[in-house]
Amino acid sequence: AQSVTQLGSHVSVSEGALVLLRCNYSSSVPPYLFWYVQYPNQGLQLLLKYTSAATLVKGINGFEAEFKKSETSFHLTKPSAHMSDAAEYFCAVSDLGGGGNKLTFGTGTQLKVEL
Amino acid sequence: DAGVIQSPRHEVTEMGQEVTLRCKPISGHNSLFWYRQTMMRGLELLIYFNNNVPIDDSGMPEDRFSAKMPNASFSTLKIQPSEPRDSAVYFCASRPGTQNTEAFFGQGTRLTVV
Repeated sequence: AQSVTQLGSHVSVSEGALVLLRCNYSSSVPPYLFWYVQYPNQGLQLLLKYTSAATLVKGINGFEAEFKKSETSFHLTKPSAHMSDAAEYFCAVSDLGGGGNKLTFGTGTQLKVEL
Repeated sequence: DAGVIQSPRHEVTEMGQEVTLRCKPISGHNSLFWYRQTMMRGLELLIYFNNNVPIDDSGMPEDRFSAKMPNASFSTLKIQPSEPRDSAVYFCASRPGTQNTEAFFGQGTRLTVV
C-alpha cells in the first residue's frame, strides 16, 4: 500500500522567510501526490497535486512542490512566508490498494509564522 | 456546485445519546469518505464507500459506530451510544472515480459529548 511520511509535526518560520515542509512517499508504482491546507475551524482544501506531468507543480497562494523520484520526496515550498500561511498542512497519496480509491494522509505539519 | 455539505456544523450531546452526522457529496463523485480529527490522533479515515458500497471500514473504532450510504447523494455516520471520547471533528469528503483527482472536503461537524 502507498503511504506518506511528513517530517516535523511543527515548523516555525519568520515572516518573509522560506517555507519548507517535508513529505516522503512510499509507493511501488508511480504515485499521485497531493498537498492540502487546513485553516483553523475549516475543512481541508487542495493546495496542489502531482499527477505525473511536470515534476514542479505550482499551487495556490504561491506554494509549489517538486516531485523527486530519486529521493521519493514531494516537499512543499514557498519563497516568502506570510502571516496568513499559518495553518496545518497535509501531504497525501492516492492509495491503489484493494482496488479502492482512497487518499492516504500524512500526520500533518503545523506551520507557525512569526513576525 | 455547493461542494460537500455536512450537517450539523456543531453538535453537543450527552453521553449515551445517539448522534447522527449527515453528508451530501458532490454530484457525480463516486467515492465518499468519513474522517475523524482530534488533537491526539490527527486525521483518521473511518470508512469509505465506492459507488455507495462500503469498501474499507477498518478505521471504524468500534461497534458503536456505523455508516450508511443509501444512495449516491447522501451518507450518514451514526454513533450509538455516544461517549465523551468520541468528541472530535468529523469530516466527510468525496472524490471522482479516478486516481489523479483530489478529494473535496466538507466543513466538518464538531461533536462534543458531555
